[in-house]
Amino acid sequence: SQTIHQWPATLVQPVGSPLSLECTVEGTSNPNLYWYRQAAGRGLQLLFYSVGIGQISSEVPQNLSASRPQDRQFILSSKKLLLSDSGFYLCALLAGGTYEQFFGPGTRLTVL
Amino acid sequence: AQSVTQLDSQVPVFEEAPVELRCNYSSSVSVYLFWYVQYPNQGLQLLLKYLSGSTLVKGINGFEAEFNKSQTSFHLRKPSVHISDTAEYFCAVSDTEAGSYQLTFGKGTKLSVIP
Repeated sequence: SQTIHQWPATLVQPVGSPLSLECTVEGTSNPNLYWYRQAAGRGLQLLFYSVGIGQISSEVPQNLSASRPQDRQFILSSKKLLLSDSGFYLCALLAGGTYEQFFGPGTRLTVL
Repeated sequence: AQSVTQLDSQVPVFEEAPVELRCNYSSSVSVYLFWYVQYPNQGLQLLLKYLSGSTLVKGINGFEAEFNKSQTSFHLRKPSVHISDTAEYFCAVSDTEAGSYQLTFGKGTKLSVIP
């Protein structure tokens, strides 16, 4: 079965600092991978998705970026965090053949 | 593009009472439909999905949902709720034609089960 690891679980960062959130998956190969952000009162917003190594699609203009250096690794980054980047970041993969997305445990980011 | 509307942001209900969480969607193409549940500070867990076939789908934890194409709705129901059902519930749609299968979510409904 598929497993998603996200780290760190929680993070407190000052405004203007860099960010790197990591997502790794097990139990599948060449999955579609997704980054979502959940902000208070705003539901879940798709930030990026990737259909393969080095292939990134951005859904929302922002100061975040994503990379997929390996098949089972998806990284979310920022050079300078904003207060508005605070939220709960979720990594997900598309379960092959079922069209459903399987979510990781998430990273709670607080920007102060 | 798709959009999802969850009509109730909060739903309080007494234990062992029935509950319905409402979801309406808008899309110019065919969609797949999903309900997810989120417990505090956790990721999302799939409750059920509609891809095709029977419009009444059953999921985990005794939940079911009915797809109504004419009303573009996918309401979630449970005949008798338990305290453990207290959580936030998200309705989502996925475009069947785009290869990304990205999900568009509603803003969520917080279900509070009262003892």
